[in-house]
Amino acid sequence: SAVISQKPSRDICQRGTSLTIQCQVDSQVTMMFWYRQQPGQSLTLIATANQGSEATYESGFVIDKFPISRPNLTFSTLTVSNMSPEDSSIYLCSAWGQREPVLAGETQYFGPGTRLLVL
Amino acid sequence: EDKVVQSPLSLVVHEGDTVTLNCSYEVTNFRSLLWYKQEKKAPTFLFMLTSSGIEKKSGRLSSILDKKELFSILNITATQTGDSAVYLCAVFEGGKLIFGQGTELSVKP
Repeated sequence: SAVISQKPSRDICQRGTSLTIQCQVDSQVTMMFWYRQQPGQSLTLIATANQGSEATYESGFVIDKFPISRPNLTFSTLTVSNMSPEDSSIYLCSAWGQREPVLAGETQYFGPGTRLLVL
Repeated sequence: EDKVVQSPLSLVVHEGDTVTLNCSYEVTNFRSLLWYKQEKKAPTFLFMLTSSGIEKKSGRLSSILDKKELFSILNITATQTGDSAVYLCAVFEGGKLIFGQGTELSVKP
């Protein structure tokens, strides 16, 4: 299975600042995603991080607010820009990785999340 | 608009009970349906279902998909307090996962 790590695990930020979240996968993966999970809510897809090209954003999310980088097949960053209290949420990195046994194919795994509080 | 709907939204049972969680979906280009368990951290993968009528089983958990009626169920038998969590259903469609609202299960001793 793909092991996904994120940094930082949590942060408290001031309104108007920006935070960059890093996501590292322990193996090369074709697809990486960024999700937001607001308190008591399910997961909402922000964007698909494309290697070597601009991310594909979902409705309601824009590049100026959530710039994403993906320089290679194992790493991606999400920046939350010009933060407001409404951005307080858990941000989750995700990727498709190989299941065990190999014949089982792939499934989508999640990182531990970054808990963000904006004051 | 594509959507995934789970029911019930919350459920309280006692240890030893059997529970059935429901997930219905309406998507344009269905590829697979996934179940996750989330306990105050990142979702952990339970099952992936692609074919109708084939039950997937892991210990006390099992799941089945009905592609004609567009739903899936997740069964948990002989529930334990450690089964308390939010169970998320997601459909893979168009290169991305669409999540339902989740079912919050609470198992009382």
